[in-house]
Amino acid sequence: AQSVAQPEDQVNVAEGNPLTVKCTYSVSGNPYLFWYVQYPNRGLQFLLKYITGDNLVKGSYGFEAEFNKSQTSFHLKKPSALVSDSALYFCAVRDPNSGNTPLVFGKGTRLSVIA
Amino acid sequence: GAVVSQHPSRVICKSGTSVKIECRSLDFQATTMFWYRQFPKKSLMLMATSNEGSKATYEQGVEKDKFLINHASLTLSTLTVTSAHPEDSSFYICSARPSQGLTDTQYFGPGTRLTVL
Repeated sequence: AQSVAQPEDQVNVAEGNPLTVKCTYSVSGNPYLFWYVQYPNRGLQFLLKYITGDNLVKGSYGFEAEFNKSQTSFHLKKPSALVSDSALYFCAVRDPNSGNTPLVFGKGTRLSVIA
Repeated sequence: GAVVSQHPSRVICKSGTSVKIECRSLDFQATTMFWYRQFPKKSLMLMATSNEGSKATYEQGVEKDKFLINHASLTLSTLTVTSAHPEDSSFYICSARPSQGLTDTQYFGPGTRLTVL
């Protein structure tokens, strides 16, 4: 079975500081990994994904994530946080060998960037 | 590209009425669409997987007779909440996976806020 863990309900960071939102996963094969962001009363916006290739993936709005197979992690990072980055972030995983199955989401991490 | 729309964005209805929510993939075809429900400050709960031209697959605990899903074309799926009750009030989000091209990514609609009085 596939699963995703986001160990932090809330992350607070000062504007201009680097931010990290943690994600670990469990999947039987090689995973497809995703990060999405949700602003209040909105749907989810796709940020970035890891399918194969370079472990460091760059996405929208200056975000990046590093796939670490040995630690089964896919932490989301940004070098310098903006107040406008404050939102709810979801990590998701899919096992590509499991057929046409949906993404499995973590519980979400609320990021607050303080000016 | 890869835009998913939902209509309506917000609906308020009386208890006992039915509400239909539309989900459209605007610039791609989607053989598979997914319906999620999100409670306040909670993660997304998958309700069902909708496949074009066939019956939807419902997750355990989701009443298929209450949440009717129709996926009649490659760009449209609908969710009908039948005989809605206050406990059905929630944020409903659809998601579509392209049939071709970037088939590994799910794209999400903006969500529909349902309030049942």
